[in-house]
Formats: sequence, structure tokens, C-alpha cells
Amino acid sequence: DGGITQSPKYLFRKEGQNVTLSCEQNLNHDAMYWYRQDPGQGLRLIYYSQIVNDFQKGDIAEGYSVSREKKESFPLTVTSAQKNPTAFYLCASSSQGESQPQHFGDGTRLSIL
Amino acid sequence: GQNIDQPTEMTATEGAIVQINCTYQTSGFNGLFWYQQHAGEAPTFLSYNVLDGLEEKGRFSSFLSRSKGYSYLLLKELQMKDSASYLCAVMDSNYQLIWGAGTKLIIKP
Repeated sequence: DGGITQSPKYLFRKEGQNVTLSCEQNLNHDAMYWYRQDPGQGLRLIYYSQIVNDFQKGDIAEGYSVSREKKESFPLTVTSAQKNPTAFYLCASSSQGESQPQHFGDGTRLSIL
Repeated sequence: GQNIDQPTEMTATEGAIVQINCTYQTSGFNGLFWYQQHAGEAPTFLSYNVLDGLEEKGRFSSFLSRSKGYSYLLLKELQMKDSASYLCAVMDSNYQLIWGAGTKLIIKP
């Protein structure tokens, strides 16, 4: 079945540690996105990529980094510079076109040890 | 600034009808999406409106008024499995989605 796979489902980070969240899609979508979801707030865009080897900062990119070396993969690294990383992280992908909905993975819940 | 407003929480009875409202102020408009999100799970796409009027999909309908910056999601014949958060998102002039905080819908027997 086509879909988006995020791993791991749960992740714990120690102080000063970088962690990487995986996102893989087999929907043949060009665009991929990373969002952060906190209680009582809307989804906030961290980074997005419209094409391989290119990506753009979203509204809250500080303390995060991404790469897009393959169409199927868009990993997110939460660096030690991100001082409040505890959140639910969602990866999404979509076809090009404004009417195309974004399809989401099951999310990764990141906590601080 | 850009803003999407939805009620935080609503309660309804199984078998009834509920309307979840969404008002928005964004820089440009290229469509409005509704998503359903069960707790701890991924949001799933429900509907897309770009023209004024009502779009019906089975038990779910979505309405848009661009002049009023207003949309609603109408859920009929409510079932217990409809208990979830409902997210409204507007695509702005840069083709980025601006998300509301979501409305938690509680269905009671």
C-alpha cells in the first residue's frame, strides 16, 4: 500500500544531543513537509521541500535541519540548539497543485530525558 | 497577521448533527481544507473548498463563504467513531497551509 512512514514512533533526547526523525513516502509525491504539533496550537511548519535537493525554511526552522537527497525521503534532525523540542512531529507529502491535499505519516513523539 | 479560529471543544450526541465553524484572516486564499485527527494519530483529509458553496461527501459536508472568511464542517448521523479533533487549514497566497488549533469533538451516547 502507498503511504508515508515515520519512525520511530517515540523518541527520547538527552540534553545536548541531536536526533533524527525518519520520513519515507512511496506515493511518488514531489512535495514533502515537516510540522510540529503542540497542545492547543495549530500545526506549525518547520521545513518543506518541493523537489529533490531543494528545501525551504518554514515558520519555526531554528534548531532543526533537513535533507532531501531522494524523492522518497525527507529526514528531520532536531539539533541541540532547539531548546524546547518536546512535541509531536508530523511529516506530510503532496502532489503539486493547490487543490492537492497533504497526506500525513503517523507521527513521532519526541520527549526530553 | 494570519489567523484561523475554531472552537476549542464541542459536544454532541450520537445520531445527531453538529456544525464546526472556522473563520480565517489570511494573506490571500487558495482554498480551505478540513482534516480529521484522532488522538495520537495522523490527520486525514476530509474536504477541500475553493469556491463558495456547499460540498457534500456522504455524512460530511463543508461550506465556504470567501467574502465572510468563513467555513463550516457539517457532520450528520454522528457515530462514536467521529470523536476526534477537526482541523481547518487555509492555503495562503504563497501556497502554504495555515492551520487552526483544531476543534475537539466529543460524542456522547
